[in-house]
Amino acid sequence: DGGITQSPKYLFRKEGQNVTLSCEQNLNHDAMYWYRQDPGQGLRLIYYSQIVNDFQKGDIAEGYSVSREKKESFPLTVTSAQKNPTAFYLCASNSIYRENEKLFFGSGTQLSVL
Amino acid sequence: GEDVEQSLFLSVREGDSSVINCTYTDSSSTYLYWYKQEPGAGLQLLTYIFSNMDMKQDQRLTVLLNKKDKHLSLRIADTQTGDSAIYFCAEMDSSYKLIFGSGTRLLVRP
Repeated sequence: DGGITQSPKYLFRKEGQNVTLSCEQNLNHDAMYWYRQDPGQGLRLIYYSQIVNDFQKGDIAEGYSVSREKKESFPLTVTSAQKNPTAFYLCASNSIYRENEKLFFGSGTQLSVL
Repeated sequence: GEDVEQSLFLSVREGDSSVINCTYTDSSSTYLYWYKQEPGAGLQLLTYIFSNMDMKQDQRLTVLLNKKDKHLSLRIADTQTGDSAIYFCAEMDSSYKLIFGSGTRLLVRP
């Protein structure tokens, strides 16, 4: 079955540590996105990529980094510069070259600070 | 910039209809979406409407769009306890990114 897979489901970060969240899709989608969700709040865009080897900052990119070496993969690194990383992280993808480019989501990663 | 607003909370009795409202600012949006999020899960696309439509019905779901007022609503008929979740309204901006509202938490009481 096609879909978006995020791993791990739960992740814990120590002070000063970088952690990487995985996102893989087999939907042949061109664009991939990372959103952050805080309790009781909506989704805020961290980074997005519409083509391999290219990505753009979203609204809250500081303290995060991404790469897009393959069409299927868009890992997110939460660096030590992100002082408040505890949140639910959602990866999404869509095809931006077809009409009605519906966004499909992974099941999320809950990141907590130890 | 673009902004999408929703009320934060709605409580209804099982069997009643639920109406979740949303306002948006980008008049050039071509598609508007409703997503559902259950606890600890990702977002699931419920339905969408093209901007040249006024209404779309899909089983128990009815979407109404008032483009003049930039107002979107989602009506759930015969609301069930399994409908309890957070519902997000979203519009697509000119660079194909989705702008989400803050979500409406729907609580269905038995």
